[in-house]
Amino acid sequence: DAGVTQSPTHLIKTRGQQVTLRCSPKSGHDTVSWYQQALGQGPQFIFQYYEEEERQRGNFPDRFSGHQFPNYSSELNVNALLLGDSALYLCASRPRGANTGELFFGEGSRLTVL
Amino acid sequence: QKEVEQNSGPLSVPEGAIASLNCTYSDRGSQSFFWYRQYSGKSPELIMFIYSNGDKEDGRFTAQLNKASQYVSLLIRDSQPSDSATYLCAVRRGSQGNLIFGKGTKLSVKP
Repeated sequence: DAGVTQSPTHLIKTRGQQVTLRCSPKSGHDTVSWYQQALGQGPQFIFQYYEEEERQRGNFPDRFSGHQFPNYSSELNVNALLLGDSALYLCASRPRGANTGELFFGEGSRLTVL
Repeated sequence: QKEVEQNSGPLSVPEGAIASLNCTYSDRGSQSFFWYRQYSGKSPELIMFIYSNGDKEDGRFTAQLNKASQYVSLLIRDSQPSDSATYLCAVRRGSQGNLIFGKGTKLSVKP
């Protein structure tokens, strides 16, 4: 049973460019959340998708957008990249029907903006 | 005041000792509390969660929750060098909220 999978694992972009990161949740999971983790910091919540809609959003600008597909997979898009967007981007999924809120993380996509 | 606060460490303990990791939170509406372990360069891995006052044990790990004092702790018994990692505390607001993480405490277990 595959866990949460993310792609690409590493990527390098330049300022002003756009990036798309992809996530496939664990089997039996239907809610996907995205987090940004800067070096030495805890993960910061970006947004959550459920039933193909953005349900909750953290304190991130509109440059950060996302999408969820009917098969529960998700994308994170970041436009007009800034140097400060360099971080590990983590996708996490939640089991269908889970009330306790636990999240299971993928291995992340490490973005470097030059 | 940050929502979830942890001492960044590093916390250094000898092999076989008990490691005690602490976390405080500011929102009294928080309902569920989570501990994650993150090895360097890897993603967070769920250790356990707790939502009732008191202790919850799972193998060498014990989570303790005190809602009146707004703190949650993680005890690791018989610490091993393989336990060396950053431990992240996370809090869930209400029954639908997402997880809010602290900065993490770096634990080093010396052989």
